[in-house]
Amino acid sequence: EVQLLESGGGLVQPGGSLRLSCAASGFTFNSYAVNWVRQAPGKGLEWVSAISGSGGTTFYADSVKGRFTISRDNSKNTLYLQMNSLRAEDTALYYCAKVAIKTSSWSRFDYWGQGTLVTVSS
Amino acid sequence: DIQMTQSPSTLSASVGDRVTITCRASQHISSWLAWYQQKPGKAPKLLIYDASSLESGVPSRFSGSGSGTEFTLTISSLQPDDFATYYCQQYNTYSLWTFGQGTKVEIK
Repeated sequence: EVQLLESGGGLVQPGGSLRLSCAASGFTFNSYAVNWVRQAPGKGLEWVSAISGSGGTTFYADSVKGRFTISRDNSKNTLYLQMNSLRAEDTALYYCAKVAIKTSSWSRFDYWGQGTLVTVSS
Repeated sequence: DIQMTQSPSTLSASVGDRVTITCRASQHISSWLAWYQQKPGKAPKLLIYDASSLESGVPSRFSGSGSGTEFTLTISSLQPDDFATYYCQQYNTYSLWTFGQGTKVEIK
């Protein structure tokens, strides 16, 4: 059974940093691209970042480019999101989601975690 | 970036109604479109991919159509479990991924 379990969320002051993790199981982790998607309270879904299965290719939304860094440790089956220079507008539930197709980042997201909440506030 | 625009934003319907949600892309995306259902406090669930393919385990009352820039999600006979928010998403090759703003299906 595919499982994605996010952790690392919490309350952080504006300008602060946080690192999110997503532990994956039930599939061959290094064969699939994975993504971070966020949802501000009461709002819609916003794609944040993606990383290829090997970790060699990364993508970012303009809203986080230069502040967030996506990475993965395939030996630990874990995805990360390092978030720096956090702003109030980064407050959201952060989901990790895997793509459905091996060896392609451009695919629907077939499994999602339950999310970890990040709150940026003084 | 490719913009995705859903309509309507909110839809009031009754059990048994046929429901249609539209999603428009700001540029041609072939059939690289998915539909997701999200219930309060839950992660999104994939319903339709490649514009018209039904994800395994999803009831057949859900269907998708369209290509290019215009897409539709149809629920043929709305069931109590279907009251939720629905999102379209494009995954056009070599483009960044984007979601529509969502359509909330409410009880009439």
